[in-house]
Amino acid sequence: DVKVTQSSRYLVKRTGEKVFLECVQDMDHENMFWYRQDPGLGLRLIYFSYDVKMKEKGDIPEGYSVSREKKERFSLILESASTNQTSMYLCASSPPSGGAPDTQYFGPGTRLTVL
Amino acid sequence: GESVGLHLPTLSVQEGDNSIINCAYSNSASDYFIWYKQESGKGPQFIIDIRSNMDKRQGQRVTVLLNKTVKHLSLQIAATQPGDSAVYFCAENQGVRGGKLIFGQGTELSVKP
Repeated sequence: DVKVTQSSRYLVKRTGEKVFLECVQDMDHENMFWYRQDPGLGLRLIYFSYDVKMKEKGDIPEGYSVSREKKERFSLILESASTNQTSMYLCASSPPSGGAPDTQYFGPGTRLTVL
Repeated sequence: GESVGLHLPTLSVQEGDNSIINCAYSNSASDYFIWYKQESGKGPQFIIDIRSNMDKRQGQRVTVLLNKTVKHLSLQIAATQPGDSAVYFCAENQGVRGGKLIFGQGTELSVKP
């Protein structure tokens, strides 16, 4: 089975702090994704990566950055956390496009609260 | 713009009944569709998928139907159980590098005992 793990289930940070959310997958997937999920807004893509050291902006990249130094690990960084970044953050991974289906497998999520 | 949407935000069914969750999509170029289940406080979980060259696919107690003529996708759950209570999302691929998916807003299924 595909396993996607996220470093924390719950996180509480203060405004202005730098926050790191880590995601690791064990299926040798090329593609990895970071989403945030808010009530009434569904899943919104922040950033994604289709290869090591490659990154692409999603729909809402402002206030975030990412790092993909190794294939299995994709980090989401909040440079200076703000209260409007309080949300559920979901990481996902999928095999490379063009061959296997684009099924994304999700981690359990990190519930981040910024005070 | 292109979007995937769901017809109903909530659905309440009696335990043992069949459930049907609907989804409309607008990108006729999409060739792959997925249904996810998300329980409270957890990440979305893959349920079943279907390629555009099929119109029906069955899993264990679940069936996905695809009608490309009207760009409609549905998830049928047979003999719905309390454990099926969750939010269900449909998603479509965009056929571009990176495997991006477009997700619907979700339908909350509530199963009454």
